[in-house]
Amino acid sequence: DGGITQSPKYLFRKEGQNVTLSCEQNLNHDAMYWYRQDPGQGLRLIYYSQIVNDFQKGDIAEGYSVSREKKESFPLTVTSAQKNPTAFYLCASTPLTGPGDDGYTFGAGTRLTVV
Amino acid sequence: AQSVAQPEDQVNVAEGNPLTVKCTYSVSGNPYLFWYVQYPNRGLQFLLKYITGDNLVKGSYGFEAEFNKSQTSFHLKKPSALVSDSALYFCAVRALNSGNTPLVFGKGTRLSVIA
Repeated sequence: DGGITQSPKYLFRKEGQNVTLSCEQNLNHDAMYWYRQDPGQGLRLIYYSQIVNDFQKGDIAEGYSVSREKKESFPLTVTSAQKNPTAFYLCASTPLTGPGDDGYTFGAGTRLTVV
Repeated sequence: AQSVAQPEDQVNVAEGNPLTVKCTYSVSGNPYLFWYVQYPNRGLQFLLKYITGDNLVKGSYGFEAEFNKSQTSFHLKKPSALVSDSALYFCAVRALNSGNTPLVFGKGTRLSVIA
């Protein structure tokens, strides 16, 4: 079955440590997105990418970095510069077909906790 | 700029009663609107979308949404609520002819259906 796989499901980070969240899709989608979800704040866009080797900052990119070396993969690194990284992280993808597509396909999420 | 407002953090409804989850939006030009549902510790699942045409859109699990251009609203409805409908609901928007700019999500409304 096609879909998006996020790993790990749970991740614990020590202060000052960088961690990388994985997002892989086998849907042949062009665009991929990272959102952060905090209680009462909805989903906030971190980074997105519409083609390989290109990505754009979202609303809350500070303290995060991404790469898009392959169409299927869009890993997110949470750096030590992100002061409050505890949150639920969601990856999504969509084909670049314009109106008519069904919006995003989401992964199951990664819950990151600072210990 | 695009924005979405979900004015209610929480909606409580008795099983069997009709439910409404409210959403208003702001976008330049015509909107492309979505509703998604999220169950605990999971990603978001697509419920329905509006592009053009009939103002009443039917979606998954018996949900429907009514587009009202003059009120810039896209309220989610269901004639008879089930306990299993209890979840977090997100409204999202982007401009119809904006290429593939990222969706903007509301803060979410938690629906609780009481048996």
